[in-house]
Amino acid sequence: NAGVMQNPRHLVRRRGQEARLRCSPMKGHSHVYWYRQLPEEGLKFMVYLQKENIIDESGMPKERFSAEFPKEGPSILRIQQVVRGDSAAYFCASSPGTVLGEQFFGPGTRLTVL
Amino acid sequence: ILNVEQSPQSLHVQEGDSTNFTCSFPSSNFYALHWYRWETAKSPEALFVMTLNGDEKKKGRISATLNTKEGYSYLYIKGSQPEDSATYLCASGSSNTGKLIFGQGTTLQVKP
Repeated sequence: NAGVMQNPRHLVRRRGQEARLRCSPMKGHSHVYWYRQLPEEGLKFMVYLQKENIIDESGMPKERFSAEFPKEGPSILRIQQVVRGDSAAYFCASSPGTVLGEQFFGPGTRLTVL
Repeated sequence: ILNVEQSPQSLHVQEGDSTNFTCSFPSSNFYALHWYRWETAKSPEALFVMTLNGDEKKKGRISATLNTKEGYSYLYIKGSQPEDSATYLCASGSSNTGKLIFGQGTTLQVKP
């Protein structure tokens, strides 16, 4: 049973470009969470999604960031017009149907904005 | 306490020593407390999910306790080994959406 998969593992973008980060949850998991780790900081919650629904986006920046988890395919975290402050490690986690369950983390995508 | 706080920030022990760390979290609207182990260049790995006041959980040489009324949890490692070297994160789930608020972590270095 493959774990949570994220790609790419490393992504370099220039200021103003778009970044798309993908997350495939564990088989059978319908809940996906995105977290961000800025340099020298801890993991910060961004958004929680279920299939085709955004449940909690209280940690998402108001502009340029969006997330989706379509019926088919991976969850996508999209950052438009990236700025240097977006450079961070972005982690995805998935869980089965209960919110009390542990979250299984992917290896992360390290975004560098030049 | 408004945030999840962990102490100490880092810890160096000798192989065979027992050690413990503290996680403090907001006791209001408590839902669940998670402990994760995060080795360099790997993904955070879940150790425990605790929900009930007074809960104690154990996995091998690692155990954890929970006090939801006063808002703290302890993680204990008995007879530390070099392979225990990692950052230990706690996270509070304060709502029913599964959103986790993480502490900054305690980085443990076990010297052979």
